[in-house]
Amino acid sequence: GAVVSQHPSRVICKSGTSVKIECRSLDFQATTMFWYRQFPKQSLMLMATSNEGSKATYEQGVEKDKFLINHASLTLSTLTVTSAHPEDSSFYICSARQGADEQFFGPGTRLTVL
Amino acid sequence: AQKITQTQPGMFVQEKEAVTLDCTYDTSDQSYGLFWYKQPSSGEMIFLIYQGSYDEQNATEGRYSLNFQKARKSANLVISASQLGDSAMYFCAMEGLGFNKFYFGSGTKLNVKP
Repeated sequence: GAVVSQHPSRVICKSGTSVKIECRSLDFQATTMFWYRQFPKQSLMLMATSNEGSKATYEQGVEKDKFLINHASLTLSTLTVTSAHPEDSSFYICSARQGADEQFFGPGTRLTVL
Repeated sequence: AQKITQTQPGMFVQEKEAVTLDCTYDTSDQSYGLFWYKQPSSGEMIFLIYQGSYDEQNATEGRYSLNFQKARKSANLVISASQLGDSAMYFCAMEGLGFNKFYFGSGTKLNVKP
């Protein structure tokens, strides 16, 4: 299957700082990328859907000003957690797909905010 | 709105035995897709099997089969000949075609006993 990478795999930051997470499709062009959040022992919750070159569509209850998503190219989407707080500590997973093809998941990024 | 329900938070199975993980769904879409993913402790999402709503035959992928009962809106995963490496979280997911979103169930933690 296709490969989706995420960087970094783990990040620890101080409260109030911003953190950027990258999601890359390595061997295909991702017209759509998704960002999910997973709290410990819980399911994946869709945060937003981003299509290349257009603004992301956020799910209800997700603050677009706090979770900035950029999908500037067909192989890269970034999620920036602005002014992170301890309650933002979570596992963030991206996925990517080309058109209506299968969705491929990244390995996830574990964010810890102190 | 779509909804996915997994009623088994945890399951135990003896090695080499078969196990069924339950999944029911609710949707008003006529066309949709059902997925099962495995998430080991490392966090990566591993695609296991897919069933389209119009597929007449139950999907099978090696030791995995999907018991699709459309009238009951259920899509149970059957793992045959369980192995120790099958111990993980398992998520059922649904995609409503045209919505470009995935909805995940709450997951089932499977423990395979030697």
